[in-house]
Amino acid sequence: GENVEQHPSTLSVQEGDSAVIKCTYSDSASNYFPWYKQELGKRPQLIIDIRSNVGEKKDQRIAVTLNKTAKHFSLHITETQPEDSAVYFCAARSLYNFNKFYFGSGTKLNVKP
Amino acid sequence: DVKVTQSSRYLVKRTGEKVFLECVQDMDHENMFWYRQDPGLGLRLIYFSYDVKMKEKGDIPEGYSVSREKKERFSLILESASTNQTSMYLCASSKIRDTNTEAFFGQGTRLTVV
Repeated sequence: GENVEQHPSTLSVQEGDSAVIKCTYSDSASNYFPWYKQELGKRPQLIIDIRSNVGEKKDQRIAVTLNKTAKHFSLHITETQPEDSAVYFCAARSLYNFNKFYFGSGTKLNVKP
Repeated sequence: DVKVTQSSRYLVKRTGEKVFLECVQDMDHENMFWYRQDPGLGLRLIYFSYDVKMKEKGDIPEGYSVSREKKERFSLILESASTNQTSMYLCASSKIRDTNTEAFFGQGTRLTVV
């Protein structure tokens, strides 16, 4: 099955700096890669996603890049703000096996004011 | 507004009790999932279901079972709760035929087994 690895496990940045979280996956059949943000005590919610036919996608301060050849994808947050502090999960969805989602282990981002 | 609702936010159960965690979605999704969330381990898949009465084991099914009698409802069952099952449990649902859509999560159930 799919194996998704996520790094780093914790990340601390100063407000206004950029943050980058990286994930790798193993199954070349995976074709959809969402990123979820989980604020303390709340449910994970989708913040951005990318499909396998696209190399990069941006939404305001958030961007995701995908390298299918190397099987890795990254989340980039620019001009970080304290409200960006949360746990971020990457995921890969397999085209086969009923389209299950496989999640990374999470990155706890702390943005210091 | 899409909804995945878990029946309890917090539960405290005794060792050996049979525990039921309920999840309901109103989006007519085929797929439903139960994940366990522990610090440093991310979201680990316990079981999932792709249709009524159909179920597949995830990565950590031991000590758990599931039931899906109706499309909108997916139940996680701890046959005999143990302290190592103390955790946050998250239910999610998604479409099965459209591969490029997200999973929607419930608010989570924090289970403590004493």
